[in-house]
Amino acid sequence: QVQLQESGPGLVKPSQTLSLTCTVSGGSISTGGYYWSWIRQHPGKGLEWIGYIYYSGSTYYNPSLKSRVSISADTSKNQFSLKLSSVTAADTAVYYCARDYTGGPEGNWFDPWGQGTLVTVSS
Amino acid sequence: DIQMTQSPSSLSASVGDRVTITCRASQSISIYLNWYQQKPGKAPKLLIYAASSLQSGVPSRFSGSGSGTDFTLTISSLQPEDFAIYYCQQSYSTPRTFGQGTKLEIK
Repeated sequence: QVQLQESGPGLVKPSQTLSLTCTVSGGSISTGGYYWSWIRQHPGKGLEWIGYIYYSGSTYYNPSLKSRVSISADTSKNQFSLKLSSVTAADTAVYYCARDYTGGPEGNWFDPWGQGTLVTVSS
Repeated sequence: DIQMTQSPSSLSASVGDRVTITCRASQSISIYLNWYQQKPGKAPKLLIYAASSLQSGVPSRFSGSGSGTDFTLTISSLQPEDFAIYYCQQSYSTPRTFGQGTKLEIK
């Protein structure tokens, strides 16, 4: 079964770039029919979708973050990555990666998810 | 963006109770509505996709219904492990958006 695992620094300084990687096991990110998403959750708050990358390499970002976000993939390592630039304390959150399954006429859904990683923005 | 509004925001119930959580979309989203359960310190877990399809491995006491703008998640008989936060999420359009969550607590 597919499993996802986030990795990256847990502490980032303000104005710097947050960089996270999601390693996928049990399946290939190059398989058609799946998007690969990043989602974040501010402490004690709800869920915010950041964006996705498709197996073809195309991306879509939440307009609320679009100017600062970049998602890329390394198919040789079966990983996809998130970069968020010019971070502030408001970017402190748990960051999740998830497979965004395309169910055709049934829509899309996130399954499975990584365990999440807390990133704190602080000097 | 499509806004998703859940009600109630919190709910107290007892083991064995039947519970219903509502999710309303700001525009019609057909059946493109998913439900997730999140326990403290854990990632969300998919329960229901496409409004009413039960994800493999999820107990049958969970069910979903609705289409258009109004959706419900029902737990037919609460079990101790069901006390968690529940989120709805639309996949009708990007950006994908979530409801604010419903916290289900033990009475």
